[in-house]
Amino acid sequence: GNSVTQMEGPVTLSEEAFLTINCTYTATGYPSLFWYVQYPGEGLQLLLKATKADDKGSNKGFEATYRKETTSFHLEKGSVQVSDSAVYFCALNTGGFKTIFGAGTRLFVKA
Amino acid sequence: EAGVTQFPSHSVIEKGQTVTLRCDPISGHDNLYWYRRVMGKEIKFLLHFVKESKQDESGMPNNRFLAERTGGTYSTLKVQPAELEDSGVYFCASSPQSRYSGTGRQYFGPGTRLTVT
Repeated sequence: GNSVTQMEGPVTLSEEAFLTINCTYTATGYPSLFWYVQYPGEGLQLLLKATKADDKGSNKGFEATYRKETTSFHLEKGSVQVSDSAVYFCALNTGGFKTIFGAGTRLFVKA
Repeated sequence: EAGVTQFPSHSVIEKGQTVTLRCDPISGHDNLYWYRRVMGKEIKFLLHFVKESKQDESGMPNNRFLAERTGGTYSTLKVQPAELEDSGVYFCASSPQSRYSGTGRQYFGPGTRLTVT
């Protein structure tokens, strides 16, 4: 079946450090891939998405590239800020109505 | 445009009691979904409505959970009787009508944190 695996957290970084959160997936067909973020006290927000192989999604300095050959969609940011502290979820949707999520990775950024 | 809203934001109940969660989707969105995140694990799909009809309820854990969507607008999720393992965050999401979900993007609410003691 379809599934998403992402690195366990928490991840603790200092401000301006480089961030990578790994995400790999298993899916039939050609899924759309997403990163959602949940800031403290808030709901899930779409951070970025990619709908086909080699697409790069980007938003707020975050990037992720849809790699079909490695079935990966790693999230990166060159310089994190304290305000990036949140839980990040990798997810996929195969064009149906059910989104499959990873377990989430909590990020702490220290000033 | 108002987003997806959920009520209450937090509920604490005792084992054996009943709780009803409510979700108001974005106006005009025919698709409504319930998801749950338990104990810091992955967010899991519970069910999907298209208007007032249940399209897929394969993720509902057992018959203690009952979801309704009266008139195709807001939805309720009732847990009766609640058990300790039902504790978690219940998310609601909605998406516009289409034969397929397009890119698959769904709009999520803030979640209801349910604690069963």
